[in-house]
Amino acid sequence: DIQMTQSPASLSASLGETISIECRASEDIYSNLAWYQQKSGKSPQLLIYAANRLQDGVPSRFSGSGSGTQYSLKISGMQPEDEGDYFCLQGSKFPYTFGAGTKLELK
Amino acid sequence: VQLVESGGGLVQPGKSLKLSCSASGFTFSSYGMHWIRQAPGKGLDWVAYISSSSGTVYADAVKGRFTISRDNAKNTLYLQLNSLKSEDTAIYYCASSMYYYVMDAWGQGASVTVSS
Repeated sequence: DIQMTQSPASLSASLGETISIECRASEDIYSNLAWYQQKSGKSPQLLIYAANRLQDGVPSRFSGSGSGTQYSLKISGMQPEDEGDYFCLQGSKFPYTFGAGTKLELK
Repeated sequence: VQLVESGGGLVQPGKSLKLSCSASGFTFSSYGMHWIRQAPGKGLDWVAYISSSSGTVYADAVKGRFTISRDNAKNTLYLQLNSLKSEDTAIYYCASSMYYYVMDAWGQGASVTVSS
């Protein structure tokens, strides 16, 4: 199975700060990577797919990049509503595997 | 798009349960569908996938115990959970798949607790 190593496990950011979350795959996943946001007590929501494609309706301050085994999610200008947990997911091979998650809080 | 899970509850180890996911607002028969679970306070864990043509794939942890199925006439996705273990305790989400791993809509989740 492909292992997804996500970092950091937690992050505290100030209003307007730019932050990055990383995911490293145990093998090449050919940009078959998605990012999901989960707010407290809610279901996850799709942010980014194919490593860098923004899902409809997601604010443009969210962006994704990467290739091969290294991927990142960037939030350009932290907003209060961005607090929550973030997960990467590899979709290159079954079984699909998620990263362990990053808890993002507003400082 | 709306996905609504039902059928969760408290069940004893070794017993069975069947979850349903009622879909509306999109052409259900044209979409692949997933089940994903989340143990209390933990991360997301992919469980199973069924394609629009009813091909299925399972996580190793549930293979042989869980069965994903769909009824396109009823716009409903199912997950049959057999031989339940305490480690199956989780919130179970269904999600629609615009392309394999791209889960573009999620239900609110159904809670399954396996305990004696």
